[in-house]
Amino acid sequence: DGGITQSPKYLFRKEGQNVTLSCEQNLNHDAMYWYRQDPGQGLRLIYYSQIVNDFQKGDIAEGYSVSREKKESFPLTVTSAQKNPTAFYLCASSMAPTSLNGYTFGSGTRLTVV
Amino acid sequence: AQSVAQPEDQVNVAEGNPLTVKCTYSVSGNPYLFWYVQYPNRGLQFLLKYITGDNLVKGSYGFEAEFNKSQTSFHLKKPSALVSDSALYFCAVREDTNAGKSTFGDGTTLTVKP
Repeated sequence: DGGITQSPKYLFRKEGQNVTLSCEQNLNHDAMYWYRQDPGQGLRLIYYSQIVNDFQKGDIAEGYSVSREKKESFPLTVTSAQKNPTAFYLCASSMAPTSLNGYTFGSGTRLTVV
Repeated sequence: AQSVAQPEDQVNVAEGNPLTVKCTYSVSGNPYLFWYVQYPNRGLQFLLKYITGDNLVKGSYGFEAEFNKSQTSFHLKKPSALVSDSALYFCAVREDTNAGKSTFGDGTTLTVKP
């Protein structure tokens, strides 16, 4: 079945550590997105990529980095510069940036700072 | 700039009664509107969309939504609620000139009581 796989499901980070969240899709979608979800704040866009080897900052990009070396993969690194990284992270994709279809979401990664 | 508002954090209905989850939006151009549902610790699932045409759109699980251009609203409805409809619902909007980036509301928790 086609879909988006996020791993790990749960991740614990120590203060000062960088961690990388994986997002892989086999839908042949061009566009991919990373959102952060906090209680009561909905989804906020971190980074998005409309094509391989290209990506743009979203609304809350500070303290995060991404890469898009392959169409299928869009990993997110949470750096030590992100002061409040504890959140639920969601990866999504769409067929094309201008697609009129909705997004397909992964099941999320819950990141906790310990 | 595009934005979306979900004025109710919580909606409670009795099983078998009709339900409405409200959404209003603001865009400069023409809106593309979406509803998603999220179950605990899961990603979002696409329910339905409005792109153009008939103002009443039908989606998954018996849900429908009505687009009202004059009131800039896109309320989600269901004639008869089920306990299994209890979840977190998100409205999202994208301007027709804004390639790829959807803006999400803060979400509304729907609780259906037996």
